[in-house]
Amino acid sequence: DVKVTQSSRYLVKRTGEKVFLECVQDMDHENMFWYRQDPGLGLRLIYFSYDVKMKEKGDIPEGYSVSREKKERFSLILESASTNQTSMYLCASSLGPQNTGELFFGEGSRLTVL
Amino acid sequence: GENVEQHPSTLSVQEGDSAVIKCTYSDSASNYFPWYKQELGKRPQLIIDIRSNVGEKKDQRIAVTLNKTAKHFSLHITETQPEDSAVYFCASGGSYIPTFGRGTSLIVHP
Repeated sequence: DVKVTQSSRYLVKRTGEKVFLECVQDMDHENMFWYRQDPGLGLRLIYFSYDVKMKEKGDIPEGYSVSREKKERFSLILESASTNQTSMYLCASSLGPQNTGELFFGEGSRLTVL
Repeated sequence: GENVEQHPSTLSVQEGDSAVIKCTYSDSASNYFPWYKQELGKRPQLIIDIRSNVGEKKDQRIAVTLNKTAKHFSLHITETQPEDSAVYFCASGGSYIPTFGRGTSLIVHP
């Protein structure tokens, strides 16, 4: 069974703080993704990575950055958190660089920025 | 880029009824169409998918149909049960990056 683990289920941060969201997958997947989920807006892609040290912007990258130093780990960074970044963040992985297939999601990290 | 429209946003049915959720997409190169189910407080999970060389696929009470000419695909759930209550997301994938619809909240009343 593929396991995608997000390090924090719930976080509360203050405006201006730097926030790190960590994601680890254990199935040697090439692709990793960060989505943001808001009611009525579905799943919006922030960033994705198809290889170590490679990253591509998704639909809403502003205010975010990512890091992929190891194949199994993909981190989302909020350099200076703002209240409009209060949301549920979902990490996902999939098999290969050109494989159109199933996404495996983590449990999500609910971030509140005060 | 790809645009996926999903309707309805909310669907309320009685137990035993059928439910249909529809999605349209814009990228004619899309060739993979998955459906994900997200129960309250849980992660989205794939429930069924279809590829562009197939028009229909069934798995017990769930079926998906695809009309490539019209660029739309649908999820059909028959004999709905309370445990089918969840948010359902369609997605369209022309590359390896799927684009999701906004989701449909399905409520099945006992």
